[in-house]
Amino acid sequence: DAGVIQSPRHEVTEMGQEVTLRCKPISGHDYLFWYRQTMMRGLELLIYFNNNVPIDDSGMPEDRFSAKMPNASFSTLKIQPSEPRDSAVYFCASSLSYRGGTDTQYFGPGTRLTVL
Amino acid sequence: QQQVKQSPQSLIVQKGGISIINCAYENTAFDYFPWYQQFPGKGPALLIAIRPDVSEKKEGRFTISFNKSAKQFSLHIMDSQPGDSATYFCAASKNSNYQLIWGAGTKLIIKP
Repeated sequence: DAGVIQSPRHEVTEMGQEVTLRCKPISGHDYLFWYRQTMMRGLELLIYFNNNVPIDDSGMPEDRFSAKMPNASFSTLKIQPSEPRDSAVYFCASSLSYRGGTDTQYFGPGTRLTVL
Repeated sequence: QQQVKQSPQSLIVQKGGISIINCAYENTAFDYFPWYQQFPGKGPALLIAIRPDVSEKKEGRFTISFNKSAKQFSLHIMDSQPGDSATYFCAASKNSNYQLIWGAGTKLIIKP
């Protein structure tokens, strides 16, 4: 299996522009998580989906952030408009529900976003 | 009550020594405690995990020690090697909730 795939790996954009990050989870996994990692705030959960349905988006920082999962093999995280403070590494992770409980989260390589 | 407190923030250990990272939690409903390892430029990856029905779990040079009464768990890396230099995250979750609550991370440097 190719693992979790994220694109792009690096994104540099200017303040005010729309940014779309993409994720392909591991085939068969029913949970998908979006995280943001910064030096100051560490690893933050933004939103997670179960069977393509958003379960908890309380970590989404502002209305400028939105996430969708139109099918089991694709998810997007969109920032519109982007701001310099959104600069971070964004990770997507997926997992498979295990006997009704938590199981390993498999992370993608991340997208390093720089907003100028 | 949802927090997981991790210490130290950074750690330098000589090659061959023992690295110890500690985590503490408040929520007694937590029942899954993984440790993730992250190398620069990569996403975190599961290293080892424990459930509260055991007090210790060992995989190679890596051991989790779990103290349910103290609500603490720790990662021990025996015979630490330069290749172990990475950031380590502890986490916790409830079986009914798939969300992991993450510690702040420990940057470990193993000096040759």
